[in-house]
Amino acid sequence: KNQVEQSPQSLIILEGKNCTLQCNYTVSPFSNLRWYKQDTGRGPVSLTIMTFSENTKSNGRYTATLDADTKQSSLHITASQLSDSASYICVVSEGSGGSYIPTFGRGTSLIVHP
Amino acid sequence: NAGVMQNPRHLVRRRGQEARLRCSPMKGHSHVYWYRQLPEEGLKFMVYLQKENIIDESGMPKERFSAEFPKEGPSILRIQQVVRGDSAAYFCASSPVEASTDTQYFGPGTRLTVL
Repeated sequence: KNQVEQSPQSLIILEGKNCTLQCNYTVSPFSNLRWYKQDTGRGPVSLTIMTFSENTKSNGRYTATLDADTKQSSLHITASQLSDSASYICVVSEGSGGSYIPTFGRGTSLIVHP
Repeated sequence: NAGVMQNPRHLVRRRGQEARLRCSPMKGHSHVYWYRQLPEEGLKFMVYLQKENIIDESGMPKERFSAEFPKEGPSILRIQQVVRGDSAAYFCASSPVEASTDTQYFGPGTRLTVL
């Protein structure tokens, strides 16, 4: 069964600090891995997309890494801001040849305190 | 270019009634996806549609749930004879091409409450 596990479940950090969120998956065959940011009461917003051949992707202060051998990904947030407070969701898609069947993690809830 | 629109934002239904959720994709997007988010759980894929076609409905319950994306107008997710367990946030997303490696844009969601 395809699974995506995220850790920690929740995280509290001070403004300006860095943090790293983890994602382990057992989805096969692997197509791509995405990280989303979801503010409370809103829809998810895409941060990064990585395919099998990519092992790092940056979007501003967000940097995602992918190790396809160990089936792990991380999302690193640099110099956190209050607006980074949100749920961060790891999504791994199954398939090849354009098929799209995603498995979502439960998310890491990040709270940034001033 | 307006984002993905969903309406209503909140919907309250009594058990046994029908719920209709609408999704207007971003302009130029012909691929629509529906997801459900139960309280305290992650999003779950339900169905993937292109204009007038259902591409993949493997995540949608076989009974009471149906989805369409007509040539004209919004995509509709229809839930017949709702039960309390259908209470959830339903999100729609769209993309310009198949979302295998492309960005999806999510709507704000419809929060369905079944009394």
